[in-house]
Amino acid sequence: QLQLQESGPGLVKPSETLSLTCSVSGGSISSSNYYWGWIRQPPGKGLEWIGSIYYSGRTYYNPSLKSRVTILVDTSKNQFTLKLSSVTAADTAVYYCATVNEYYYYMDVWGKGTTVTVSS
Amino acid sequence: QSALTQPASVSGSPGQSITISCTGTSSDVGGYNYVSWYQQHPGKAPKLMIYDVNNRPSGVSHRFSGSKSGNTASLTISGLQAEDEADYYCSSYTGSTTLVVFGGGTKLTVL
Repeated sequence: QLQLQESGPGLVKPSETLSLTCSVSGGSISSSNYYWGWIRQPPGKGLEWIGSIYYSGRTYYNPSLKSRVTILVDTSKNQFTLKLSSVTAADTAVYYCATVNEYYYYMDVWGKGTTVTVSS
Repeated sequence: QSALTQPASVSGSPGQSITISCTGTSSDVGGYNYVSWYQQHPGKAPKLMIYDVNNRPSGVSHRFSGSKSGNTASLTISGLQAEDEADYYCSSYTGSTTLVVFGGGTKLTVL
């Protein structure tokens, strides 16, 4: 059974780069059945799509974040990584990683989420 | 790319049925049958409830159903139960550049 686990610093300073890793267990990140996605949720607000990566390395980003976002995949470690540069307080959120079904674009496996606070 | 539009809140009494709408455009909801719905309880990760407009994953109650007409998708919950009280989000495929867009979310209160 596929499981995802987010990890990374819980506190990031303004203007710095947020970096989170999603570790995949119970399956291979090289599987062609999924895109590997990142979603965030600011406190008290709704879900926001950040972007995703296919095992081939092709990426898909939310246009509103595209200039600051990089998603990478490391098949040797069965992980994928989110990098968000030049963060501000508005980037404070719970960050989730999730699988995105390759053919039907739904997210059926989610990590538990990790809280990131942007503050000096 | 704008978020899909959902009502901020809906409510219903136990046993009743409610419907949550999700309005997009011909570039997302109206253009593809790739609408999914998620339930989120406080402090928890979202849970997939409906995919491909009207399909339920294994283990999801038959009380949950989905539909679509034009640019608007809908989630209907029949026979409301207390445990259905949660936030609900729709999402849609939105093309091969961005991939996915979410709705703003709807808070369901079971009275």
